[in-house]
Amino acid sequence: DTEVTQTPKHLVMGMTNKKSLKCEQHMGHRAMYWYKQKAKKPPELMFVYSYEKLSINESVPSRFSPECPNSSLLNLHLHALQPEDSALYLCASSPKETNSNSNQPQHFGDGTRLSIL
Amino acid sequence: SQQGEEDPQALSIQEGENATMNCSYKTSINNLQWYRQNSGRGLVHLILIRSNEREKHSGRLRVTLDTSKKSSSLLITASRAADTASYFCATARTDSWGKLQFGAGTQVVVTP
Repeated sequence: DTEVTQTPKHLVMGMTNKKSLKCEQHMGHRAMYWYKQKAKKPPELMFVYSYEKLSINESVPSRFSPECPNSSLLNLHLHALQPEDSALYLCASSPKETNSNSNQPQHFGDGTRLSIL
Repeated sequence: SQQGEEDPQALSIQEGENATMNCSYKTSINNLQWYRQNSGRGLVHLILIRSNEREKHSGRLRVTLDTSKKSSSLLITASRAADTASYFCATARTDSWGKLQFGAGTQVVVTP
């Protein structure tokens, strides 16, 4: 079992649907991430939250809308997705050291496998 | 562009053999990390090596880092069937806190 929990594990939605992916961690980490991973490819960074504030948006289309309601939760709201958005969406978290620019290891959830019809 | 490039893309070995995979990168880094991903699962952090370190061990894992050549290697000794997975290197660049850039990955299959 991972310490980062993602729900749902699988999601099938039509292009006109609105849905949300959820991620939760209770390790006290203050940085949280969304990644998109296509089959047989490495994860691609989408968003980074630091202390509940969006710090990095990797030019992600607005049909993906992240939200960080508190330090333990991270959501990804989906609307009007395209078939090419079908992928594994991974959430990760890491501690944040405010006085260092050294990255820490990231802890990943098992992802939500999203299929767009 | 991809920061980390890995080779080989795929590796097939028998149990008990060693597996070696390499990672090259292009820019200055704070550290380099290796992750494992089992089929249908998330990534699991294996080991982190800082830019001022040359070698690091963790159990059956040995990682080297050569910053002059901008390359790293991961050695898994005495491999087991449970080591079957994809392995990714990821670099933490000095100019982009919060970002990890992943290599293309090496798919390792260990047969009993």
